[in-house]
Amino acid sequence: EVQLVESGGGLVQPGGSLRISCAASGFTFTNYWMHWVRQAPRRGLVWVSRINSYGTLTSYADSVKGRFTISRDNTKNTLYLQMNNLRAEDTAVYYCTRGGGSLENWGQGTLVTVSS
Amino acid sequence: DIVLTQTPLSSPVTLGQPASISCRSSRSLVHSDGNTYLSWLHQRPGQPPRLLIYKVSNRFSGVPDRFSGSGAGTDFTLRISRVEAEDVGVYYCMQATQLGTFGQGTKVEIK
Repeated sequence: EVQLVESGGGLVQPGGSLRISCAASGFTFTNYWMHWVRQAPRRGLVWVSRINSYGTLTSYADSVKGRFTISRDNTKNTLYLQMNNLRAEDTAVYYCTRGGGSLENWGQGTLVTVSS
Repeated sequence: DIVLTQTPLSSPVTLGQPASISCRSSRSLVHSDGNTYLSWLHQRPGQPPRLLIYKVSNRFSGVPDRFSGSGAGTDFTLRISRVEAEDVGVYYCMQATQLGTFGQGTKVEIK
């Protein structure tokens, strides 16, 4: 069974940093692109970032470019999102998702709250 | 950036009746590899989204056959042939042809 388990969310002050993680199991992690998608409270889904299976190609939404960095450790079957210079508008549940041209499986999400 | 516009944004439906949602893209979603990476997802309250349809018209594993997708280029439709109570929630179209974009979401509720 495919499992994606996010962790590392929490409360952080504006301008602060946080790294969230996603532990993957139940499939061959190295075969899949991975994405981060976020959802602000009572709002819709927003694509954030993606990384190829080797970790050599990354892409970002304009709203996070230059502040967020996606990475993966294929030896640990883990996906990461390093978030710097956080803003109030980054407050959201962050979902880890598996897939290339479509997002096949989703974790339960981890809540990141940016507030003073 | 590609913008996806869904209509309607809210859809009250009667159990057992059909429903459809439209998704229009600001640009063609045909990728250089020939595929069209338009998918549909469903999100129930308090739950993560789940994939229903990928590459326009392909049902994902375990998705009931009352769900179908169609379209090409810039115009796409999700149809539910007979709405069941478990179908309530928000439906999103999503494109992955150029980075990623979601539509605004369509809330389906029972009349």
